[in-house]
Amino acid sequence: DTEVTQTPKHLVMGMTNKKSLKCEQHMGHRAMYWYKQKAKKPPELMFVYSYEKLSINESVPSRFSPECPNSSLLNLHLHALQPEDSALYLCASSQVTTGTGTEAFFGQGTRLTVV
Amino acid sequence: SQQGEEDPQALSIQEGENATMNCSYKTSINNLQWYRQNSGRGLVHLILIRSNEREKHSGRLRVTLDTSKKSSSLLITASRAADTASYFCAPVANNLFFGTGTRLTVIP
Repeated sequence: DTEVTQTPKHLVMGMTNKKSLKCEQHMGHRAMYWYKQKAKKPPELMFVYSYEKLSINESVPSRFSPECPNSSLLNLHLHALQPEDSALYLCASSQVTTGTGTEAFFGQGTRLTVV
Repeated sequence: SQQGEEDPQALSIQEGENATMNCSYKTSINNLQWYRQNSGRGLVHLILIRSNEREKHSGRLRVTLDTSKKSSSLLITASRAADTASYFCAPVANNLFFGTGTRLTVIP
């Protein structure tokens, strides 16, 4: 199983809502990532978890809150988002962090629209 | 920044032709990776080249790395319509930061 599964595929939420994005992998990977991608732009790294601990936060606003409940699961909790947060949110995983020379596997993303 | 910069930003070729994309970066790296993204979908890893390697092949893909010039190139030979996608380089020091990307269109 070389899949990273993201749910939901699409999400529309109001600016006062609280929602969560979910990501799951069963490859035994110990590094997991959240990326944000706007249209026609490259993915931007948001968070990196290594061995279930947050190791990188790329100055992401606190309205985005990541959580890694176990080595297979990664969540992104959303609260009080702005319309400019509308984007494709991508989850990825790798055996260990990519600096050691491992490839990352990506999910198909959640298309988020904030209204 | 670890991020790479790619050129061209967009490339349109006929099926059967070769496509070359270039990536430049600024910092020292451990490896450089190339990914493909079909429209609005997840990224797919294509190839990884380590900092002590100069060239690597995988099927119709050929990647070169010149660490003295801080640059890499991706060559896709005998392109197919199915190769139409965005291609991103990721010069990796510690984590995966993507370059600006090249949008490749292969015309049947």
